[in-house]
Amino acid sequence: AQKITQTQPGMFVQEKEAVTLDCTYDTSDPSYGLFWYKQPSSGEMIFLIYQGSYDQQNATEGRYSLNFQKARKSANLVISASQLGDSAMYFCAMREGPDSGNTPLVFGKGTRLSVIA
Amino acid sequence: AAGVIQSPRHLIKEKRETATLKCYPIPRHDTVYWYQQGPGQDPQFLISFYEKMQSDKGSIPDRFSAQQFSDYHSELNMSSLELGDSALYFCASSRGGDEQFFGPGTRLTVL
Repeated sequence: AQKITQTQPGMFVQEKEAVTLDCTYDTSDPSYGLFWYKQPSSGEMIFLIYQGSYDQQNATEGRYSLNFQKARKSANLVISASQLGDSAMYFCAMREGPDSGNTPLVFGKGTRLSVIA
Repeated sequence: AAGVIQSPRHLIKEKRETATLKCYPIPRHDTVYWYQQGPGQDPQFLISFYEKMQSDKGSIPDRFSAQQFSDYHSELNMSSLELGDSALYFCASSRGGDEQFFGPGTRLTVL
């Protein structure tokens, strides 16, 4: 079974608008971490935001926020005030195990976001 | 701030040749991970090292091996290269379970 599911292969958003990228996950481990990475066309993987399974509040980092709904097993990324430079592939990823652990990441298939001027 | 360093950035090899990719993690990070990302695919975990010992093993072919040295840099050795090994190879490092920071990647092309 797919551990991370990103159902939107591609998304378009108008510049300055907000956009939500969907991510659902599957794990039986009570401890896990959820990550979002941005991959521009140049190829590098840029860490955006992290949410731990025991975190009470949704994570926020500047224009990025994570809409964490634990019961639904979803961790959607919200980008506010989209900019042309946000056009990229976005990956949702999960690490199973406690925060102190160093287990590898499992990635979703990604969502390609295109910001339109 | 220091980032993960990978070398070389680009590599072109013939089938059946060998390749060695190098990774220098962020200072004081104790874990190094290697991922392979094929064209149009998501990154797939290959192998990781914690404090110079192999920690986890993913879908790494037997033709590949890796190690972490005393100075914490890591090398991924790939032998008998196949066309399907053409991919972007990432090294990432973390301190414990903190976020993994990725290097710029090595783009390997096998002809």
